[in-house]
Amino acid sequence: NAGVTQTPKFRVLKTGQSMTLLCAQDMNHEYMYWYRQDPGMGLRLIHYSVGEGTTAKGEVPDGYNVSRLKKQNFLLGLESAAPSQTSVYFCASSSSGQRTGELFFGEGSRLTVL
Amino acid sequence: AQSVAQPEDQVNVAEGNPLTVKCTYSVSGNPYLFWYVQYPNRGLQFLLKYITGDNLVKGSYGFEAEFNKSQTSFHLKKPSALVSDSALYFCAVRANQAGTALIFGKGTTLSVSS
Repeated sequence: NAGVTQTPKFRVLKTGQSMTLLCAQDMNHEYMYWYRQDPGMGLRLIHYSVGEGTTAKGEVPDGYNVSRLKKQNFLLGLESAAPSQTSVYFCASSSSGQRTGELFFGEGSRLTVL
Repeated sequence: AQSVAQPEDQVNVAEGNPLTVKCTYSVSGNPYLFWYVQYPNRGLQFLLKYITGDNLVKGSYGFEAEFNKSQTSFHLKKPSALVSDSALYFCAVRANQAGTALIFGKGTTLSVSS
C-alpha cells in the first residue's frame, strides 16, 4: 500500500520563486493536512482540509496556499518563496478528522529557499 | 489555548533498562492525547492514544503511556528499551471540542545505547 505520497522529496528554490508540493493518499481519507517541521519546534499545522473542495487555515498559514480539487490530492503552494520557508513539509491524512488523531504521514518534502 | 510540553530534548538509556519520555499538556476540558515516533528521514508513525477509559494505554512496539489527569501528564514508557527504539518522539494533544487542532510538542530524542 502506498499510503501517503509526497512529491517532490527535495527541492531548492531561490527567493521569490514559486512551487507546489503534491500530496496524494490512496486510503480514501476525508481529512488531509500540511505541517512543517523545524528543529526544536515540533510540527506546526499550515493548512488542512476536511473534504474535497474545502480548505482551512492552521497555525502558520501565511505565505502558503492550498487546494483540494480531488479527494485524494492536497496541494501546498508557495507563491513567492522566502528563506523562512526553508523547512521539511509533511502531509498527513486521516479518516475521522483529528478527533481520534490517528494521522498517517508521508515521508516528507525537504525545501531549501536560498 | 491548548499546549503540550516535552521538557526533555533528549533522553539517554541503556538497552534493557526501562525508559520514560515525559509529556505534560494544557487544554480546556477533556483531552485527546497521542504519541508519535519519527525515525530519521521518515514521516511520523502513530504509537498510541488516550481518548477515554483506562488510564494506562498500550500501543505499538511494547510502548505504553499513563494518563494522569491531576498532573496533566501523559508519559510514554517501555519496560525494557531496545537500541532500535532510538528515534524522535512527539506527544500531541487535542481538546475534545469541535474545530480544535492537534497540537504537537517539540519532540524528545530517545537514544538507547547497547
